[in-house]
Amino acid sequence: AQTVTQSQPEMSVQEAETVTLSCTYDTSENNYYLFWYKQPPSRQMILVIRQEAYKQQNATENRFSVNFQKAAKSFSLKISDSQLGDTAMYFCAFMKRQGAQKLVFGQGTRLTINP
Amino acid sequence: DAGVIQSPRHEVTEMGQEVTLRCKPISGHDYLFWYRQTMMRGLELLIYFNNNVPIDDSGMPEDRFSAKMPNASFSTLKIQPSEPRDSAVYFCASSQSSTGYSEAFFGQGTRLTVV
Repeated sequence: AQTVTQSQPEMSVQEAETVTLSCTYDTSENNYYLFWYKQPPSRQMILVIRQEAYKQQNATENRFSVNFQKAAKSFSLKISDSQLGDTAMYFCAFMKRQGAQKLVFGQGTRLTINP
Repeated sequence: DAGVIQSPRHEVTEMGQEVTLRCKPISGHDYLFWYRQTMMRGLELLIYFNNNVPIDDSGMPEDRFSAKMPNASFSTLKIQPSEPRDSAVYFCASSQSSTGYSEAFFGQGTRLTVV
């Protein structure tokens, strides 16, 4: 079975700063996907960024980038130039590449961006 | 497409009552997932369907929980009888099968409170 661990329950930074959220996972699979989801107060789950395990290049989406370390089973999210709208819960998630497309989530990190 | 639609958005019920949560997936999606979010356990998969057939219900906590998908455009999650510990946010998500990655789209969730 796969497990996903987020060791930072809460984080807080000032607007425009850079913040990094940590995530580690455990799996015996070789091919899989990793995700970061954002959940603002509206409760909507929003996909922020996706990484394919067979790709060595770290994924980037505008201000969001990841540091994917496959051997260490580590998958951190960096938010650059943080904005007030980035305030939300952030969930790291795992999905096997083959078979059912079900997601395994970490416990989440509550991120607050202060003005 | 309007996205995944869940109803009701909020539900308050008394212990012992039957509760039915509803979900309309995105048209053309053949996977449907039910997740539950609580403070203690985070986001956990309850059950998922493929082409209206339940594939894995190992996450369903007890026999009090049941889920159906009578057709490609509708699914229900029923709790009978409900208990206070069932209080949570229940999410429905859908995705389209493919040989590679297919994004899961989430509904806005139903916040269930059992008093």
